[in-house]
Amino acid sequence: DSGVTQTPKHLITATGQRVTLRCSPRSGDLSVYWYQQSLDQGLQFLIQYYNGEERAKGNILERFSAQQFPDLHSELNLSSLELGDSALYFCASSSGQPSSYNSPLHFGNGTRLTVT
Amino acid sequence: AQRVTQPEKLLSVFKGAPVELKCNYSYSGSPELFWYVQYSRQRLQLLLRHISRESIKGFTADLNKGETSFHLKKPFAQEEDSAMYYCALSGRSNDYKLSFGAGTTVTVRA
Repeated sequence: DSGVTQTPKHLITATGQRVTLRCSPRSGDLSVYWYQQSLDQGLQFLIQYYNGEERAKGNILERFSAQQFPDLHSELNLSSLELGDSALYFCASSSGQPSSYNSPLHFGNGTRLTVT
Repeated sequence: AQRVTQPEKLLSVFKGAPVELKCNYSYSGSPELFWYVQYSRQRLQLLLRHISRESIKGFTADLNKGETSFHLKKPFAQEEDSAMYYCALSGRSNDYKLSFGAGTTVTVRA
């Protein structure tokens, strides 16, 4: 499967801890996006990278950070975790720089984070 | 600021009945609008985009700039249409960040 791959699938951790979520984009895609999906908030855009550089930022907390590496995979780091951070975290990739008609987003299966 | 509103969290229809998912947006300029769908145990995927004026799986959506709406419609719902549907918007004025609505869960009953 050459689609977007996210690891791990599930993560259970305690408050105050730090976790790293990993995303491998589709082959050839240069843009990586991170979204948070919670029951009451829907899909919230966190951050976007294009070819290693931060491209756009959404409602990402200061406790969260991300980066895209030279091989184009991306990591989302969540620190000082709180109960409210429990959510499904999606990664998506696209071929183009902007999200446009010709380069729609392709999503991974998500990482389900549970903070206890 | 761009914003996407899906007023219905849940929508239940009978098989064969028409279904319409509402989407309203606010945006300064010419938006790009999409519908994404997430079937059970599958990843979120693009359903259709307004520029293509396409019909996918029997679904169509018309961009109404006057009403700032992009409602998704299907004349005869099928059980396999049960899924979560997200309306999404992007555009030049917000650096093409793709903003999603809160989503509508559609259940099609036999």
